[in-house]
Amino acid sequence: RKEVEQDPGPFNVPEGATVAFNCTYSNSASQSFFWYRQDCRKEPKLLMSVYSSGNEDGRFTAQLNRASQYISLLIRDSKLSDSATYLCVVNNQAGTALIFGKGTTLSVSS
Amino acid sequence: EPEVTQTPSHQVTQMGQEVILRCVPISNHLYFYWYRQILGQKVEFLVSFYNNEISEKSEIFDDQFSVERPDGSNFTLKIRSTKLEDSAMYFCASSATGRRETQYFGPGTRLLVL
Repeated sequence: RKEVEQDPGPFNVPEGATVAFNCTYSNSASQSFFWYRQDCRKEPKLLMSVYSSGNEDGRFTAQLNRASQYISLLIRDSKLSDSATYLCVVNNQAGTALIFGKGTTLSVSS
Repeated sequence: EPEVTQTPSHQVTQMGQEVILRCVPISNHLYFYWYRQILGQKVEFLVSFYNNEISEKSEIFDDQFSVERPDGSNFTLKIRSTKLEDSAMYFCASSATGRRETQYFGPGTRLLVL
């Protein structure tokens, strides 16, 4: 089983749509979870950390299910500027390294 | 807003040559990292560094790789004898307090080995 698995997409949605990304991770000892965003040929940028109780930042909502080892990201009211690759990221057991999924590509069109 | 910076942005080298990639982490951060991303693939962890020592390294980080913090600001990745398969984007990252904290990434160095 891959360490962090994501549906690669692409997800092609119109502006204003709601879109959800899912991610599963294999190491039950992982303690920290993140969604990063990566634009083409750029560095990963933190979108949001993911907390056990779920958390929201504007149009973005992240959920964590430790029992299922499942993380999700919901984007409401999609904007053209949301077009990017969304990376699901977890810490390794020691907390010293980030383990990345391959990313889910989102394309928002007008 | 403080940023991680990296130089050069692009580097082209011949197979077998040594390259040094440079990074300036965010100034009050204590933990430093190198990652690489081969074109079309996922970001992969190479090494983490704290208190002038390697904290952890992946199996990618073999004897051809080394890291150094030569002064109070720079953090370098050296590849001793580059191979074609070392062609990738190399990202430096730093975090304030280390384990499980948010890591902030630099813009990357695109390395092409011919």
